[in-house]
Amino acid sequence: KAGVTQTPRYLIKTRGQQVTLSCSPISGHRSVSWYQQTPGQGLQFLFEYFSETQRNKGNFPGRFSGRQFSNSRSEMNVSTLELGDSALYLCASGDKGGGDGEQFFGPGTRLTVL
Amino acid sequence: AQKVTQAQTEISVVEKEDVTLDCVYETRDTTYYLFWYKQPPSGELVFLIRRNSFDEQNEISGRYSWNFQKSTSSFNFTITASQVVDSAVYFCALSEARVGNNRKLIWGLGTSLAVNP
Repeated sequence: KAGVTQTPRYLIKTRGQQVTLSCSPISGHRSVSWYQQTPGQGLQFLFEYFSETQRNKGNFPGRFSGRQFSNSRSEMNVSTLELGDSALYLCASGDKGGGDGEQFFGPGTRLTVL
Repeated sequence: AQKVTQAQTEISVVEKEDVTLDCVYETRDTTYYLFWYKQPPSGELVFLIRRNSFDEQNEISGRYSWNFQKSTSSFNFTITASQVVDSAVYFCALSEARVGNNRKLIWGLGTSLAVNP
C-alpha cells in the first residue's frame, strides 16, 4: 500500500505570496489532518477533513484554509504569507478521525518564507 | 485546558542503556486516548501506541514498554537496551474521545533522544 504523499517537498516563497500544498492519503482513508511543525511551537493542529467535510479546526488565522476532494486528496492553502509561516507542514491520514486512532504521516512540505 | 508536558527536551544515552521518556498530561475528560509517535531524522512521524483512558494495563512491545498511571496523569515510555536506530524525537499526544466531531490531538513538544554507539 502506498504511503501518504505530500507535494511539493520543499517550497520557497516571499512574504505576501500565497501557497498551496497537496496531500494524498493512503487509499481508503477518509480522514486527513494537517499540522504545522516549528522548533519553537512544536506540532500544532491546523484542521482535519473527513469525507470532504472539515471536522475540526485549530487556532490558526483565516489565512490558513483547506479542502478535501471526493477522492480524499486534500489541499492546504496559505494566503498572504508571513515570515512566521516558515515551517514543516505535515499531513496525516487515517481510517478514523485524527483524534481516535493511528495516523499515518507524510514526509511533510518544508515551506520557507523570505 | 488540555495539555501535554514532556519535561525532557533532550536525552543522550549510550547504546544498550535503558531510557525512559516522561509524559504528563492534563485533561478534565474521563474518556481520552494517549499516543506516542516517533519522528526519526527522515522526518516522517511513526505511530507507536494508542492507549484508552480506561485501560491502565502496561504494554510491552519488544524493547518498548509503556507505563500508564492515571493517578499521576502520566504515560511514560521506556526503551530497553537502546540502539542507535532509536535516535529520534518522540512525541506524546492526548486526544479527547468525545461523541461528535470535536476531536483533535494535543501534542507535547517532544523529547529528542540521541543514542550514541
